[in-house]
Amino acid sequence: AQSVAQPEDQVNVAEGNPLTVKCTYSVSGNPYLFWYVQYPNRGLQFLLKYITGDNLVKGSYGFEAEFNKSQTSFHLKKPSALVSDSALYFCAVRDPPGGSYIPTFGRGTSLIVHP
Amino acid sequence: SAVISQKPSRDICQRGTSLTIQCQVDSQVTMMFWYRQQPGQSLTLIATANQGSEATYESGFVIDKFPISRPNLTFSTLTVSNMSPEDSSIYLCSVEEASGRIRGTDTQYFGPGTRLTVL
Repeated sequence: AQSVAQPEDQVNVAEGNPLTVKCTYSVSGNPYLFWYVQYPNRGLQFLLKYITGDNLVKGSYGFEAEFNKSQTSFHLKKPSALVSDSALYFCAVRDPPGGSYIPTFGRGTSLIVHP
Repeated sequence: SAVISQKPSRDICQRGTSLTIQCQVDSQVTMMFWYRQQPGQSLTLIATANQGSEATYESGFVIDKFPISRPNLTFSTLTVSNMSPEDSSIYLCSVEEASGRIRGTDTQYFGPGTRLTVL
């Protein structure tokens, strides 16, 4: 079975400060991990993914995420937040060998960047 | 990456009626997915639609309520039948790039969604 948790419903950060959106996962095999962003009245947009290799993954719009196997985490980060980063962020996991190739999505974290 | 459009973008419907949502992709894709996103909640997969075969429905969703068509590799429809207020939601179409790599590693792309309100 596969599952993913986003422990924070909302994250508030001031513009220019670093931001972190947390994601933890549970799988029986090796995880494939994804981050998506959803702006108001829009569909989900792909940000980045971890499949294998380097634990630090860089994605769109200056975002990056670090895969930490020992902590079963895949937190999304950005060094300097922009007001335009305000959106809903979803983490997703796939575990085809032990779970399903169909991704399981987290509940989403609302990121609010204050001017 | 695939570009996906959905029609309608939003609709307000009366209880007991049906609505058909269209999903058009700008490239041929094997796998298409339909999701529901209820207010304040995550995405829930309704069904997987592959061209040339019956859609595969997830637990809690049935074909009579959510019939799906997949006539070709660039188009699909989802019908929400006999609607009730509980069907008010955002319905999202999604496709998966077919890279030929290990299954499960490909990125999914999403349409803009159809916001449905049932009165």
